[in-house]
Amino acid sequence: EIVLTQSPGTLSLSPGERATLSCRASQSVSSSYLAWFQQKPGQAPRLLIYGASSRATGIPDRFSGSGSGTDFTLTISRLEPEDFAVYYCQQYSSSRGSTFGQGTKLEIK
Amino acid sequence: EVQLVESGGGLVQPGGALRLSCAASGFTFTNHWMHWVRQAPGKGLEWVANINQDGDEKYYVDSVKGRFTVSRDNAKNFLDLQMNSLRVEDTAVYYCVREGFYYESSGLIIVADYWGQGTLVTVSS
Repeated sequence: EIVLTQSPGTLSLSPGERATLSCRASQSVSSSYLAWFQQKPGQAPRLLIYGASSRATGIPDRFSGSGSGTDFTLTISRLEPEDFAVYYCQQYSSSRGSTFGQGTKLEIK
Repeated sequence: EVQLVESGGGLVQPGGALRLSCAASGFTFTNHWMHWVRQAPGKGLEWVANINQDGDEKYYVDSVKGRFTVSRDNAKNFLDLQMNSLRVEDTAVYYCVREGFYYESSGLIIVADYWGQGTLVTVSS
């Protein structure tokens, strides 16, 4: 099973600042199968990035994804008040299972 | 518009059983793998199970193997999760998720692109 480790666990920033979230895999992951989600309290997760770097429909261009192999990054260029939430990375494996990272909580400083 | 609506959650005693359903609409159900993902109170997301388009290929997280069974009714556009021998640690919101596929320059991309709102399962005596 591929384990995804997200860091930091909590990130405290102010609106307007840049956020960099990391997702590290225990073994190589195909970029085609790496996604990022945002979740706010009481809501279902929302797809932000798929294929490691493609923005989902309706996602603002301040969100970007990058990386390959075992290291992936979600960057939010200029934080808006609505961006403070929990973020998860997810991967699909060739055996058709899937795993999520444990999440990064982005909170207002 | 893609819609996934879960039902069947509730309170059940340890060792009991529950069947969750997910009504899918707004897309060609038979074109997609489908998944169940859960989230324990205050915790992160955990992938539970998935099923292919024909229903003859299924995968489970180790912690539910032998206890949970995923199935689908392609005539009625329903996804189900039969949960037996429930444990306190199965308490969670269960989400029905569509697996989307996209063709990009890099090749085929698969992703959990649509999620239901979830149904809460509470296992407690």
